[in-house]
Amino acid sequence: NAGVTQTPKFQVLKTGQSMTLQCAQDMNHEYMSWYRQDPGMGLRLIHYSVGAGITDQGEVPNGYNVSRSTTEDFPLRLLSAAPSQTSVYFCASKVGRYYGYTFGSGTRLTVV
Amino acid sequence: AQSVTQLGSHVSVSEGALVLLRCNYSSSVPPYLFWYVQYPNQGLQLLLKYTTGATLVKGINGFEAEFKKSETSFHLTKPSAHMSDAAEYFCAVSGGYSTLTFGKGTMLLVSP
Repeated sequence: NAGVTQTPKFQVLKTGQSMTLQCAQDMNHEYMSWYRQDPGMGLRLIHYSVGAGITDQGEVPNGYNVSRSTTEDFPLRLLSAAPSQTSVYFCASKVGRYYGYTFGSGTRLTVV
Repeated sequence: AQSVTQLGSHVSVSEGALVLLRCNYSSSVPPYLFWYVQYPNQGLQLLLKYTTGATLVKGINGFEAEFKKSETSFHLTKPSAHMSDAAEYFCAVSGGYSTLTFGKGTMLLVSP
């Protein structure tokens, strides 16, 4: 099993550009989430999903969109990149509500 | 609502000394608690978790944590630190929600 796969690993965007961060898992997990990690801030939840076709907002959803058309994939879209979105983004999945997450290796995004 | 407070953004120990990383939580329902470790430029790896039952839980790499309901704490310990333990550690809580809420993290520094 590959676990949780995130692409790309690194990305530089110009302000105003859009892009999609890809996330795929092969463990048949129903729950998937996107977090961003900033120094001294821990991990903050952006969006999450409890199954195909179901998504909801987390703590910091502004400027991001998600969709969940399949169990395996949970892409994160940046609509119009801003320097404040410079961060490391982690996708994570888990099998059920009370279980721990399996994390991807992250995408380091810089917006200039 | 749920929240996590990790006391100390940095903790320094000598190799062979006791490791103690503090975590206090807030949850309106019985919590599920987790500790994760993050090595540089990597994703988060689950160290251990408390769900129900025994309040002293053992994890990987010789770490353990004790759930104390009266103190709303879930401190992480290891009897003897090793250089390879140097990393950032995150405490997280799930109070019945579909996602985890993370603390801001504690960087463990181990000196020879």
